[in-house]
This record gives sequence, C-alpha cells and structure tokens, in this order.
Amino acid sequence: GENVEQHPSTLSVQEGDSAVIKCTYSDSASNYFPWYKQELGKRPQLIIDIRSNVGEKKDQRIAVTLNKTAKHFSLHITETQPEDSAVYFCAASMGRKLIFGQGTELSVKP
Amino acid sequence: NAGVMQNPRHLVRRRGQEARLRCSPMKGHSHVYWYRQLPEEGLKFMVYLQKENIIDESGMPKERFSAEFPKEGPSILRIQQVVRGDSAAYFCASSRETGEALHFGNGTRLTVT
Repeated sequence: GENVEQHPSTLSVQEGDSAVIKCTYSDSASNYFPWYKQELGKRPQLIIDIRSNVGEKKDQRIAVTLNKTAKHFSLHITETQPEDSAVYFCAASMGRKLIFGQGTELSVKP
Repeated sequence: NAGVMQNPRHLVRRRGQEARLRCSPMKGHSHVYWYRQLPEEGLKFMVYLQKENIIDESGMPKERFSAEFPKEGPSILRIQQVVRGDSAAYFCASSRETGEALHFGNGTRLTVT
C-alpha cells in the first residue's frame, strides 16, 4: 500500500545539538521527497526537498539524505535553536500525490 | 503574490448540518489537494483535483464527502450531515505542476458539536 513511516514521533534535544528524523516509504516509484515544518496552529511549510536523482542536499543548517535502494530518507538539523521546535513531516510522492509521515515533534531546550 | 487562501478559518457546525470549505490556489497553480489533519496526527490525503476534474479521490470517505474545482471560482470541499468524527483541520494545498512542492493554506478548523 501507500505508506510513509516516520521516526521518532517525539525528539527532545539541547540547543546546539543535532537532530535526525528518519522516514521509510513503500513505493519504489516515488521520486520526490519534501520535508515540512508545522508550528502549533499554523500551516505546514516546506523547508527542504530532494529528488530521486540526488543522494544528498543541504541548505544552511538543514540537510536531507536519500537511499533509494533501502527506500529511506532522513532530515538532519545541525546547531539546533529553540525556534526549530515544531512538528516536522516527511512526505513521498506516490502516484500524483504526496503521502505524509505521521510527524515528529521536535523540542529544542535552551 | 497571495498564497493559498482558505476560508473560513474556523467553522462550527451541529451534527447533521453541512460544511463547505473553500480554497483558492496560488496564482498560476492549477493543481489542488485537500488533506485532513486530526489533533496530534499527520496529514491524510483526501483528494487531488485539477480544473473541472477529480484526478485522485482515493482518500475521500465514500459517503457524505465531495469535492469540486470548477472552471471559475475556488475549490470546494463539501461534507454533508457532519458527525463529531469530522472535527479536524482541513488543509488545502496547490502546486503549479504534478511532482512539485505543495504550498499549503492556513487551513479550516471544523468543529462539530
């Protein structure tokens, strides 16, 4: 079936530490993998995305890696700051739509 | 460039009433998606539409739910005879082409009393 598994569901780190969130997907035809950040009561916002022809992409403190063989991808946030606290969602393209993971609530403690 | 516009932001309905949620995509976007988010849960795909066409409705409940995206005007998600379990945040998103990033609206928070 169409499924994206995301782990962990909650993650607590100290300010300045790194945070890693992992996702696996079921459809080997998936070729687009975005990550969204959602603050409480607000809309999901795209923070980074990667396509299947690329293994890694970086944007300042955020990086995403993709392993197509294993069908998993990860979000890495370095030098975390309190404003990084939010729920993060991974997604994978399946057919002509995006299927989202269950979300990871990241808490960065000052 | 205005983003995805959804209205109303909050909607309260009694059981058995109808709910109509509206979404205007970003300028230049012709692909509209509706997602439902229950409290502390992920985004569940409901339906994908292009102008005047439903492309994928595999996530829509078989009864009481319908969606449209007419040639003129916003996309509408319609829920008939609402029940308490329909209480959720409903997000609309749009994209310029398939396989591109989705831009989300601020959502409509439906409460069924």
